Formats: sequence, C-alpha cells, structure tokens
Amino acid sequence: DAGVTQSPTHLIKTRGQQVTLRCSPKSGHDTVSWYQQALGQGPQFIFQYYEEEERQRGNFPDRFSGHQFPNYSSELNVNALLLGDSALYLCASSRGDGNQPQHFGDGTRLSIL
Amino acid sequence: AQSVTQLDSQVPVFEEAPVELRCNYSSSVSVYLFWYVQYPNQGLQLLLKYLSGSTLVESINGFEAEFNKSQTSFHLRKPSVHISDTAEYFCAVSGIGGYNKLIFGAGTRLAVHP
Repeated sequence: DAGVTQSPTHLIKTRGQQVTLRCSPKSGHDTVSWYQQALGQGPQFIFQYYEEEERQRGNFPDRFSGHQFPNYSSELNVNALLLGDSALYLCASSRGDGNQPQHFGDGTRLSIL
Repeated sequence: AQSVTQLDSQVPVFEEAPVELRCNYSSSVSVYLFWYVQYPNQGLQLLLKYLSGSTLVESINGFEAEFNKSQTSFHLRKPSVHISDTAEYFCAVSGIGGYNKLIFGAGTRLAVHP
C-alpha cells in the first residue's frame, strides 16, 4: 500500500520564477493538505483540498495556489518566487473525517537562488 | 485559534536514560493532540495521538504521552531511549469540529548519545 508520494524531491529555482509541486495521497484518502517547513521550524499550514475545492487556508499570500484532481492528487503552485520561499514543502493526506490523522510524504525541498 | 509551545529546542540524553519532551498548547476550542517524529531528509511520521478517552496514550516503540487538560499539556516520555530515537519531534494540535488543520510547535531535537 503506497503512502503519500511527492515529486520532485528537490528543486532549484531563481527569484521571480514559478514552480509546481505534486502530491499523490495515500490509497483511500480524499483530503490533501500542504505545509511549508522552513529550516529549523515546525511545518506551517498552507491550505487543504477536499472534493477538488480549497476548503481551508492558512496565512499565505495569493502567490500560493493549488488544485485537486478527480483522483484526489494535488498540485501546489507558487508564483513570483522569493528567497524566503526556500523550504521543505510537505503534503499530507487523510480521509475527510475531522478526527483522522494526517499521513505525510517525504516532501519537496525547494531552494531559491 | 490554536498555538503550540515546545519548551525545549534541544534535548541531549545518554542511551538508556529516560527522556521527557514538553509540549503546551493554547486553544479556544477542544483539540486533538499529536506527536510526530521527523528523521533527517524525511517527512513526518505519526508517533501517537490523543482523540478522546484515556488521557495516557502509547506508541508501539515505547513512547507515551499524557493529556493534561488543566495544564494544557501533552508531554512525551520514554523510560529508556535508544540511539535510533535521535530525531526531531513535533507536537501538534487540531481543533475538534474543524477540518483537521494541524498547528505545529517549533520542534524538539532529541540527540541520544552512546
């Protein structure tokens, strides 16, 4: 049973560019959440997708957007990259019930030069 | 809104010694509580969770945590640590009745020395 898979594992971009990160949820999961983990810090919630719609969002600017597909996979898009966007981006999946724990992928390490 | 404070950024300990990683939270609503572990260059793995019922919860690898509602704490303990327990540990909460958005603490680096 495959867990949460993310691609790519590493990515290097320059300021001003745009990036797309991808996530496939664990089998049986329909909800995908994205988190940003800066170096030495805890993950911070970006947003959550359920039934192909964003249903909750953290304190991130509109440069951060996402999408969920009918097969429950998801993309995170970041426009106009800043140096401060350098971080580990984590995808987590769960079932729609509110008390189900989230399962995390290994993340995408994004470096901005 | 919720917030989580992990009181120690680093905890050094010798192998086979006991350890406690402290976590306090603040919330205007009832919460679920979680501990996650992160090994180098990996994502987060769920260590244990408190949803309801007994306030003492245990993991399969010897960790335990106790929910203390009056002190708003969820400290993680292990009576005897191994070198392999060296990792970053994150305490997290999510509000009951919400969409299980996790709010994390800043993490505690557990370093087990031989």
